[in-house]
Amino acid sequence: QKEVEQNSGPLSVPEGAIASLNCTYSDRGSQSFFWYRQYSGKSPELIMSIYSNGDKEDGRFTAQLNKASQYVSLLIRDSQPSDSATYLCALWDYKLSFGAGTTVTVRA
Amino acid sequence: GAVVSQHPSRVICKSGTSVKIECRSLDFQATTMFWYRQFPKKSLMLMATSNEGSKATYEQGVEKDKFLINHASLTLSTLTVTSAHPEDSSFYICSARTDSNSPLHFGNGTRLTVT
Repeated sequence: QKEVEQNSGPLSVPEGAIASLNCTYSDRGSQSFFWYRQYSGKSPELIMSIYSNGDKEDGRFTAQLNKASQYVSLLIRDSQPSDSATYLCALWDYKLSFGAGTTVTVRA
Repeated sequence: GAVVSQHPSRVICKSGTSVKIECRSLDFQATTMFWYRQFPKKSLMLMATSNEGSKATYEQGVEKDKFLINHASLTLSTLTVTSAHPEDSSFYICSARTDSNSPLHFGNGTRLTVT
């Protein structure tokens, strides 16, 4: 499997703040990247997909991809307690490989 | 939207018995399905890629004779954990893509406990 490194956290942010999550990958040829959210005891759900360099915004979430530096990040703006979960970075290369996940806790 | 259904959601079995987990794509055909395993506080690890009409492709370190995968139709893949042991207790999750350009969609997972 392709190596995907993710700062494992945990990350604690106050409600309303920005949560910043980072992920690096080893294969320069990787093209497709995803962020999944996983609540405790549940299966992952897709938040964002990103394929091109730059930013992609969807509501309070912004994914950033920098292929030259081989990193992908996720920003969660106006964090809410319901955002408390584990966030998994993943890349696709004929199969989906996951990072270790970052557990985010949003303090009310 | 795409839905992947997994059954059962939770199963408890005795050591030495076998357990079958079903994964269905409800509103699309999936020529390929993926089986993951997740231990507590760990990330998802790919076990095998299930291919409709052919043998599954197993990841390194996964025993193909212990984890039997059958993908007999375009909407159903099954994972059978044979001669289960307590160390097989884990969260098993299947997933599928609607097409080659879509992200993976995950089933709700199966919590297996082997006593």
